[in-house]
Amino acid sequence: EDQVTQSPEALRLQEGESSSLNCSYTVSGLRGLFWYRQDPGKGPEFLFTLYSAGEEKEKERLKATLTKKESFLHITAPKPEDSATYLCAVQAVGNEKLTFGTGTRLTIIP
Amino acid sequence: DAGVTQSPTHLIKTRGQQVTLRCSPKSGHDTVSWYQQALGQGPQFIFQYYEEEERQRGNFPDRFSGHQFPNYSSELNVNALLLGDSALYLCASSLITGTGQVFGPGTRLTVL
Repeated sequence: EDQVTQSPEALRLQEGESSSLNCSYTVSGLRGLFWYRQDPGKGPEFLFTLYSAGEEKEKERLKATLTKKESFLHITAPKPEDSATYLCAVQAVGNEKLTFGTGTRLTIIP
Repeated sequence: DAGVTQSPTHLIKTRGQQVTLRCSPKSGHDTVSWYQQALGQGPQFIFQYYEEEERQRGNFPDRFSGHQFPNYSSELNVNALLLGDSALYLCASSLITGTGQVFGPGTRLTVL
């Protein structure tokens, strides 16, 4: 069964303090790994899709990387508006569903 | 370009009642998936519809059923509501040929 574990559960950073969020996964065959951002009471907002080990993608202050066992979401010089829950999900080959982790709740303090 | 829309935004029901939630996919998308997200948890896959057929189903009881219409919009029906069905219900649309799923804003269901 596909599994996704995210750490830490919660992270508080000062504005400008860079850090990384971790997503460890097990999947029979990886079709794609997804990062989403979710604000309270809202639907997840798509950030990145990664398909194979060694792949990296960037968007503004965020950079996602992928290995065969885990993915990292690096946040550089974060701002208060980056505060949200970040969700990681995997999709297996031949499967339609996304399997999500429980997320990392990120708080950026001004 | 309208994204995924869901209605209603919020809903309050009592135990034993039935509820119908609605979803319109992003323009150009042909596949709709439904997820349940309990407070503090990640979304859990309920099922996916394509060409008006249920394509895949997660570990949810038969009380959860769905439908997809010819215009690709979809409904989620839940019968005999339980307190544990209280959650944010998310609809996601995609292309059957793609891998990305775009989520709607969700419907917050409260069962009293």
